[in-house]
Amino acid sequence: NAGVTQTPKFQVLKTGQSMTLQCAQDMNHEYMSWYRQDPGMGLRLIHYSVGAGITDQGEVPNGYNVSRSTTEDFPLRLLSAAPSQTSVYFCASSYSGTALNQPQHFGDGTRLSIL
Amino acid sequence: AQSVTQLGSHVSVSEGALVLLRCNYSSSVPPYLFWYVQYPNQGLQLLLKYTSAATLVKGINGFEAEFKKSETSFHLTKPSAHMSDAAEYFCAVTRPFQGAQKLVFGQGTRLTINP
Repeated sequence: NAGVTQTPKFQVLKTGQSMTLQCAQDMNHEYMSWYRQDPGMGLRLIHYSVGAGITDQGEVPNGYNVSRSTTEDFPLRLLSAAPSQTSVYFCASSYSGTALNQPQHFGDGTRLSIL
Repeated sequence: AQSVTQLGSHVSVSEGALVLLRCNYSSSVPPYLFWYVQYPNQGLQLLLKYTSAATLVKGINGFEAEFKKSETSFHLTKPSAHMSDAAEYFCAVTRPFQGAQKLVFGQGTRLTINP
C-alpha cells in the first residue's frame, strides 16, 4: 500500500519557469490538499479538493494552480516560479473533506528551490 | 478560531529518559487533535489522534497523549526515549474551513536525544 506518492522529491527551477508537482494516492480518499512548509511559518494550506472535479483555494493560493480530474491524482502547478516559492511542498489526503475527526496522510514532500 | 501552541521549539533529553512535548489548544468546542512526527527529509507521519472516545490516547512507537479539557492541553509523552525518536513533532487540530476541513499546526518541537 503506497499511500500518498509525490514526485519529484527534489527540483531546482529558474525564476519564471513553470512546473507541475505530482501527487497520487491509492486509498480512495475524497479529500486531497497541498501544503507548503517554511521555517518559522509551519505548514500552510495552498489548495484543496473535496472530490474529483472540485477544487478550492487555501490560505496561500497565489502563484499556484490545481486540478482534480480523478480521485487519485491532485497535481500542483507553479505558473511562473518565483524565489518566494522556494519551500518544501507536501500533499495530503483524507477519507473525508468535511469530517473533522479524519486524519490526513502525508506524502514525503517535494523540496523545491527557485533560483 | 482554533489554534495550537507548542511550548518549546527544541527539547533535548537523554536516551532512556522521559519525553514530554507540550501542546495547548484554544477552542470553544471540544477539538479533534493530532500529533504528527517528521523525520529528516520525510513527510509527516501520524503518531496518534484524539477524537473524544478516550482521554488517554496510545499511538505508535510507544508514544501516548492525554487530553485534559480543564487545562486545554494535549501533551505527548514517552516513558523512555530512544535515539530513533529524534525528529520534529507537530501538534495539530482540525477546523472547519470553507465548508471543508483543514489542519492547523503548531510551530513544531524538535526533539534531540543525547546518548
